[in-house]
Order: sequence, then structure tokens, then C-alpha cells
Amino acid sequence: QKEVEQDPGPLSVPEGAIVSLNCTYSNSAFQYFMWYRQYSRKGPELLMYTYSSGNKEDGRFTAQVDKSSKYISLFIRDSQPSDSATYLCAMSTQTTGGGNKLTFGTGTQLKVEL
Amino acid sequence: EAQVTQNPRYLITVTGKKLTVTCSQNMNHEYMSWYRQDPGLGLRQIYYSMNVEVTDKGDVPEGYKVSRKEKRNFPLILESPSPNQTSLYFCASSLWGKETQYFGPGTRLLVL
Repeated sequence: QKEVEQDPGPLSVPEGAIVSLNCTYSNSAFQYFMWYRQYSRKGPELLMYTYSSGNKEDGRFTAQVDKSSKYISLFIRDSQPSDSATYLCAMSTQTTGGGNKLTFGTGTQLKVEL
Repeated sequence: EAQVTQNPRYLITVTGKKLTVTCSQNMNHEYMSWYRQDPGLGLRQIYYSMNVEVTDKGDVPEGYKVSRKEKRNFPLILESPSPNQTSLYFCASSLWGKETQYFGPGTRLLVL
């Protein structure tokens, strides 16, 4: 079983829809939770990150963490064609050397259609 | 502009021919890392470095080498590439102790 599970999609929605992207995880040691966005032929870029259970909002994006259920979500309101990308969830644990190790989901491919 | 750069962006080579992919960052980050991205497997860490002359294996280190002689550079070396190393490679960096990593644009490698 993978430490982080993410539905690969593809997910296709009409412009203006609310999008829900989800990941589940099995490692209770994960401390920080991130969402990266990756456009085609580009490197991942950090979208949001959270530490505690609850919601964090940034413009049209809301990240939600439920540590008791080991479940995280990213909501996109009023989705735009420019949101079409692959969304990767990532979670971090602290290494013995004091650094942070990221474990990624496989990514969900999202297409927002006009 | 703060960034992570990788070269080359695209590379086609043959089995056994040694190659190096360079990575450089201008943000004075201590932590640097290499990942490979494959369909259905996501991003997997190859090697990471916590500072100059300090490197360690990630989840899939076999067939790769790295070095960290300068803080800004973290090259990935494939001594004898094989077709199963055909992949999309990303370099990333972050400040020490910070969770958020900044990624380079990627290097697409094809080993024939």
C-alpha cells in the first residue's frame, strides 16, 4: 500500500465549477501537507501548505486537512481554464538529520473546459 | 529572479554512456534534492543533500550518483545509464528546516 493515495483522474469540469481534489495517507508521522500545481512541461510549483487540521483559504483555493481521517483536500472555486494542470499532494516528515522528506501523491490531472 | 535551473532540458543517449544533469539554485538554499517522475508512480526522491559535502540516498538511488561541492550546485550523475532510467527528472531546493521546496523546470531523459 502506498503511503499517499491520490486519484489520478483525469477530471474534466466546466468553467465556473467547484473542483474537489483529494488524497489519503497512512503515515501518522506526516506533519505538513502541501498542494503543488504542475503545468504541462513545467516543474511543480507550490500552491498551498498547511500544518494543522482545518481549513486554509487563499483566494479561490481552500486546503482542508483532517488528521483523524488521514485525508486532505483541495477545493477550487469558480474554476478557470488556466487552472487546467496536474495537482500533486505532498506530505512531509522530519528526517533524523533534521531535514524534511516529501512524499508525493501521483497527481490528479484536471481540465477546465470553456 | 529566484530560481532553480537544470541543464540540459532534453537529452537522448544510449545505454552505458555516462551523463551528468546539472542543477543550480540562486536562493542560498541549504537543502537540495533530485526526483524522478514516472506515470502512475509520481515523484520519487533519488538523492538529497542537506548542505555542502552532505548527501544521502532517497527512495530510488540505484544507478545514480550525486555530489555537493558548492552550495548552489547539485549535479546528478548517471555512470552507466540504462533504459529503465528513461524518465523526467526534477531538481528542487529549500531552506534548511523548511517544508516548501522549489522545483526546477525538469530534464526529460531518454536512454536507448
